Amino acid sequence: ETGVTQSPTHLIKTRGQQVTLRCSSQSGHNTVSWYQQALGQGPQFIFQYYREEENGRGNFPPRFSGLQFPNYSSELNVNALELDDSALYLCASRTGGMGYGYTFGSGTRLTVV
Amino acid sequence: SQQGEEDPQALSIQEGENATMNCSYKTSINNLQWYRQNSGRGLVHLILIRSNEREKHSGRLRVTLDTSKKSSSLLITASRAADTASYFCATVPYGNNRLAFGKGNQVVVIP
Repeated sequence: ETGVTQSPTHLIKTRGQQVTLRCSSQSGHNTVSWYQQALGQGPQFIFQYYREEENGRGNFPPRFSGLQFPNYSSELNVNALELDDSALYLCASRTGGMGYGYTFGSGTRLTVV
Repeated sequence: SQQGEEDPQALSIQEGENATMNCSYKTSINNLQWYRQNSGRGLVHLILIRSNEREKHSGRLRVTLDTSKKSSSLLITASRAADTASYFCATVPYGNNRLAFGKGNQVVVIP
């Protein structure tokens, strides 16, 4: 059903470690966003990239960083992991402007212990 | 921060009944979107309504938007067991390019 693929599906890391989450979007989807979803909550916007440039950022510290590549793939990097970073991380992409809906990946479930 | 606020938070209905969810928001918007999420996995885009639209239909879905009250409703007609999911409204605030999600509405359709 979705044209956005995220990896890995699940991940367990230790507090203080670094993690890289990956997303592969559909061809032509030049806008990609990342969201953090805590259990029982709605997704929270982390940042957005358009044609490999960051063009929006939510209320997340600088240890959350990202990259978007020309092949429509992207990464979310989190340094110095904290217990509160445990969540479902969702990648979403779209083609066209803000008048279009997003296609979401199935997410990466990150657990920090 | 979360902008959309759905009401009610949880809804349990019999198959064949209609399900209605409401969403309110605080700022001016470019558009409002509804998404479905099954079992804590990825979200599926259901429908988008622009700020200059008042009502939109897609299959069994009907969305209304009242910008004067800053509210929207999602109606699912003739519900099915497969409609069991969490439903989120998300706004694209005016002058912004991100989705601001509400807390979600859990719907259980009993066969």
